[in-house]
Amino acid sequence: AQKVTQAQTEISVVEKEDVTLDCVYETRDTTYYLFWYKQPPSGELVFLIRRNSFDEQNEISGRYSWNFQKSTSSFNFTITASQVVDSAVYFCALSEAGDDKIIFGKGTRLHILP
Amino acid sequence: EAQVTQNPRYLITVTGKKLTVTCSQNMNHEYMSWYRQDPGLGLRQIYYSMNVEVTDKGDVPEGYKVSRKEKRNFPLILESPSPNQTSLYFCASSSHPTGTGVGYGYTFGSGTRLTVV
Repeated sequence: AQKVTQAQTEISVVEKEDVTLDCVYETRDTTYYLFWYKQPPSGELVFLIRRNSFDEQNEISGRYSWNFQKSTSSFNFTITASQVVDSAVYFCALSEAGDDKIIFGKGTRLHILP
Repeated sequence: EAQVTQNPRYLITVTGKKLTVTCSQNMNHEYMSWYRQDPGLGLRQIYYSMNVEVTDKGDVPEGYKVSRKEKRNFPLILESPSPNQTSLYFCASSSHPTGTGVGYGYTFGSGTRLTVV
């Protein structure tokens, strides 16, 4: 069965610090997709990244980077030099190939303190 | 502008009074889905649709109906709303590409905050 665990319910860091949000997933499929979404205080959901299971390359986009490790079933998200605007709830999600359901983790609320 | 449009943004209704939350996307996406978000439970899928006239249940379909008569629209229907359906609802669409990276994923609507009293 699919499952996504975000063990960190809430994190607070001071601006400019780096922060890593953890995501551990469970799936029986060999082909699957992992996602990260951001939900700022305004409430909308913003797509950040999708990663396919057969592509273990790490990705960097500006201050954001993602570390995909199949060996530990983890897809962690790091924000470098955090900013107050990064304050949001971040969701990790999983979808198995051929199944259009996306299973979301319960989210990590990130507070960036000025 | 590519977007998913949900209406209304806020709705307060009474138990048992049928309501429809509309969802429309202008990206010609095949896949559409409804989610509800509740504190401590995260996002849970209600229904999804892989194409016109093709719908399927998600994890929490009870008390909801959907239809997909046109590609762009995917309304969520609550025939007899109850207080436990008070929630924040999101509609989403995707072209479901096989690509990987920062350019692919579901696009979400702005959300509908529903209160059933």
